[in-house]
Amino acid sequence: KAGVTQTPRYLIKTRGQQVTLSCSPISGHRSVSWYQQTPGQGLQFLFEYFSETQRNKGNFPGRFSGRQFSNSRSEMNVSTLELGDSALYLCASSWTGHRNTEAFFGQGTRLTVV
Amino acid sequence: TQLLEQSPQFLSIQEGENLTVYCNSSSVFSSLQWYRQEPGEGPVLLVTVVTGGEVKKLKRLTFQFGDARKDSSLHITAAQPGDTGLYLCAGAGTNAGKSTFGDGTTLTVKP
Repeated sequence: KAGVTQTPRYLIKTRGQQVTLSCSPISGHRSVSWYQQTPGQGLQFLFEYFSETQRNKGNFPGRFSGRQFSNSRSEMNVSTLELGDSALYLCASSWTGHRNTEAFFGQGTRLTVV
Repeated sequence: TQLLEQSPQFLSIQEGENLTVYCNSSSVFSSLQWYRQEPGEGPVLLVTVVTGGEVKKLKRLTFQFGDARKDSSLHITAAQPGDTGLYLCAGAGTNAGKSTFGDGTTLTVKP
């Protein structure tokens, strides 16, 4: 059974640009959550999608957005990139996203904004 | 807002030593998960604890969930260099699909 796949693994962008990251969940999993990980802030929740609908949202500005497709694959978009957006972006998939459901992470996308 | 505090933040020990790391909160969690993350990789799930007072063992790792489901500990016996990594605890609260993560404990086991 394939794990969670995130593409690309590494990305370098300049300030002001926008970026789209992709996450393919484990087959059968319908919930996809996105997290931002930085040395100073740890793992911060961005948002969660379930059956193509955003079900939960963290405290990030509107420049961060996402969507989920009918096959459960999810994309995350960041517009007008800032230097502080440099981070490891992780997605996690789970079967239902319910409270006690285990979440499995991808390897992440390392975004560097210069 | 549900917060999880992990301690210690950093831990450096010699191979063969025992250690315990902690995950504490003032909030009640319906379940709590422990992950280990290596540099440049995503967190890998180690265990999920659900019942207050529950103890789970995974080879040399022992996980305990507090009776009140507000805290948890991870004990490693006879640590090995392969145990090196960032240990994260994550609590599942009232919102489905949204876990709260602690800042983690960075463990270094020296040969």
